Amino acid sequence: GAVVSQHPSRVICKSGTSVKIECRSLDFQATTMFWYRQFPKQSLMLMATSNEGSKATYEQGVEKDKFLINHASLTLSTLTVTSAHPEDSSFYICSARGIKQGLAGDEQYFGPGTRLTVT
Amino acid sequence: AQKITQTQPGMFVQEKEAVTLDCTYDTSDPSYGLFWYKQPSSGEMIFLIYQGSYDQQNATEGRYSLNFQKARKSANLVISASQLGDSAMYFCAMRDQGAQKLVFGQGTRLTINP
Repeated sequence: GAVVSQHPSRVICKSGTSVKIECRSLDFQATTMFWYRQFPKQSLMLMATSNEGSKATYEQGVEKDKFLINHASLTLSTLTVTSAHPEDSSFYICSARGIKQGLAGDEQYFGPGTRLTVT
Repeated sequence: AQKITQTQPGMFVQEKEAVTLDCTYDTSDPSYGLFWYKQPSSGEMIFLIYQGSYDQQNATEGRYSLNFQKARKSANLVISASQLGDSAMYFCAMRDQGAQKLVFGQGTRLTINP
């Protein structure tokens, strides 16, 4: 499989501050990246889809001004949670899709996730 | 619109037994892909198996097999000879042909007892 990294793996921030989460595809070019959030004991909920060089497409109910997504290159996407509040505390998972030599088809690979706690 | 349903919130199985995790789906697209992922307590999503809607045979990957019944719109995951390390959350997901996003089911928490 392919490798997707996320940084940081855990972050604690104070209410009102902004937090940036990075997602990198390490060994393939990610034409599309996805950002999910997952509350405890729940499924993954897609927040937005971003294609390299284009504006992200947000899912219904996700505030684009609060969750800023940048996909400036084929290997890096960032999610910035602006003016974070305790209700933003969650597990954020990125996923990348692209073509990796040696693998069949364009699969979707997940990062290890970032646990955000807003105090 | 795509929809994935996993009706088993939790499953408890004895070690070495086989286990079937249920998944049904709904889509109007004749071409689609079905996926199963495992999520251990660490949170990472581990890809297990993939089935294309036009694949003639059920997908298999080691101890994992997918019981694909197209007419019933079901894609159950079968794990043979379960191991303690199989304890985790399992998610079924689908993606329509040409669509970008993967839609997930609610998940099933599998616990393997020694």
